[in-house]
Amino acid sequence: RKEVEQDPGPFNVPEGATVAFNCTYSNSASQSFFWYRQDCRKEPKLLMSVYSSGNEDGRFTAQLNRASQYISLLIRDSKLSDSATYLCVVNGGYNKLIFGAGTRLAVHP
Amino acid sequence: EAGVAQSPRYKIIEKRQSVAFWCNPISGHATLYWYQQILGQGPKLLIQFQNNGVVDDSQLPKDRFSAERLKGVDSTLKIQPAKLEDSAVYLCASSPRISNTEAFFGQGTRLTVV
Repeated sequence: RKEVEQDPGPFNVPEGATVAFNCTYSNSASQSFFWYRQDCRKEPKLLMSVYSSGNEDGRFTAQLNRASQYISLLIRDSKLSDSATYLCVVNGGYNKLIFGAGTRLAVHP
Repeated sequence: EAGVAQSPRYKIIEKRQSVAFWCNPISGHATLYWYQQILGQGPKLLIQFQNNGVVDDSQLPKDRFSAERLKGVDSTLKIQPAKLEDSAVYLCASSPRISNTEAFFGQGTRLTVV
C-alpha cells in the first residue's frame, strides 16, 4: 500500500462548480498534513495546511479525519485559474514530507 | 526573501554520463530535501538533510546517486552513471524546522537522458 494515495483524476468541471478531492495515508502517527498546488511545468507551492479542526481559506476548505486516515480538499465556485494538479502531503516524522501522486483538476468555461 | 535557487534549469546528457545539480536553500532553513518527479507522478523524496546530516536517504539509489551538504547550507546531487529512467525533474526544497512545517521548492532541474 502506498503511503499517500490520491485519485489521479482528471476532474473536469465547469466554472462555478464545487469539487472535492480525497487523500488517504497509511501512517497513523503522521502529525501534519498539507495540500500543495502544482501548475504544469512548475514547482509545487503550498496551498494550505490541514488542521485537525478543519480550516478554510476563501473558497478552499481542508478537513482531516484521523480515525479514517484521510484528508479532503473542497473547492467552491471553481475558477479557470484553479486548473492544476493538487498534491496531498503527509509528514512522515522528522518533517519527512511524503507526496501523493496528485489529482488533476481541469476547470472549463 | 530570496527563494530556493537551483541550477541548471535544464540538462540533456547521454546515458552513462554523469551530471550534478546544485541547490541553495532559503537562508536560515536547516532542512533541505531533494525530490525526483517523473512526468505524471508526485515528487518522490530522494534525500533529506538536517543541517549537514542525513535524516533520510532510504529511497536514494546509492549505487548511482550521491548528495552532500558539507557546510549545512547549499547542496549538490550527483548521478553517475545516468540511466534513461533518470529522466525527470529534480526538485530541491527547504524548510525552517524539522517538525510540522511546510517545504518551499525551487524551480527544479529538468534532466533528459538520451
